[in-house]
Amino acid sequence: DIVMTQSPLSLPVTPGEPAAISCRSSQSLLHRSGYNYLDWYLQKPGQSPQLLIYLGSNRASGVPDRFNGSGSGTNFTLKISRVEAEDVGVYYCMQALQSRTFGQGTKVEIK
Amino acid sequence: QVQLQESGPGLVKPSETLSLICTVSGGSMSSYYWSWIRQTPGERLEYIGDIYYTGSTDYNPSLKSRFTISVDTSKNQFSLKVRSVTAADTAVYYCARLGPAATYSYYYYLDVWGKGTTVTVSS
Repeated sequence: DIVMTQSPLSLPVTPGEPAAISCRSSQSLLHRSGYNYLDWYLQKPGQSPQLLIYLGSNRASGVPDRFNGSGSGTNFTLKISRVEAEDVGVYYCMQALQSRTFGQGTKVEIK
Repeated sequence: QVQLQESGPGLVKPSETLSLICTVSGGSMSSYYWSWIRQTPGERLEYIGDIYYTGSTDYNPSLKSRFTISVDTSKNQFSLKVRSVTAADTAVYYCARLGPAATYSYYYYLDVWGKGTTVTVSS
């Protein structure tokens, strides 16, 4: 089983400031295609999760360009260049190389 | 725009079978995979498995074989059965669509989610 570990688990942020979330996998997520099989999802309060980033670094349709995914192999990062109030919620990374497993989630809240 | 809606009992007794249905509206089930995910009270997300519109299934190997996913394209529905439930199966159950990535069509991501249905296992 591939285990996904996120840090931090809680992230107080100031609007307008940058933020970063780390995600590590117990095995490399680099597929033979050259793509990393990793997604990022955001679950806003009271809502279902929504796709932000796929294949490690591709923004989903309609996702603001302040969200950026990077990394390869076992280490990945989601960065928000300037946090806005609407970005609060729980962020999850998810591997899709072997079935699918999620990280524990990182709760982002405004200071 | 495709929408998904879960339905099923909110309360199930231990050792019974939980049955959930996801109804797909606003689009065809063809050429997509259809998934079930659950979220525990502690907010952990757990992938249960998925089914292609043709009926082929793939389950999370970490879960015991108590889960069965089926599809009925004539009704635009797919379903989940969980046998011998325990308190550990208490969760919000989501159905979702796995759609192909725009930049690499061999990759599928969870692009449409239902609102989720809360299931409590208790006597």
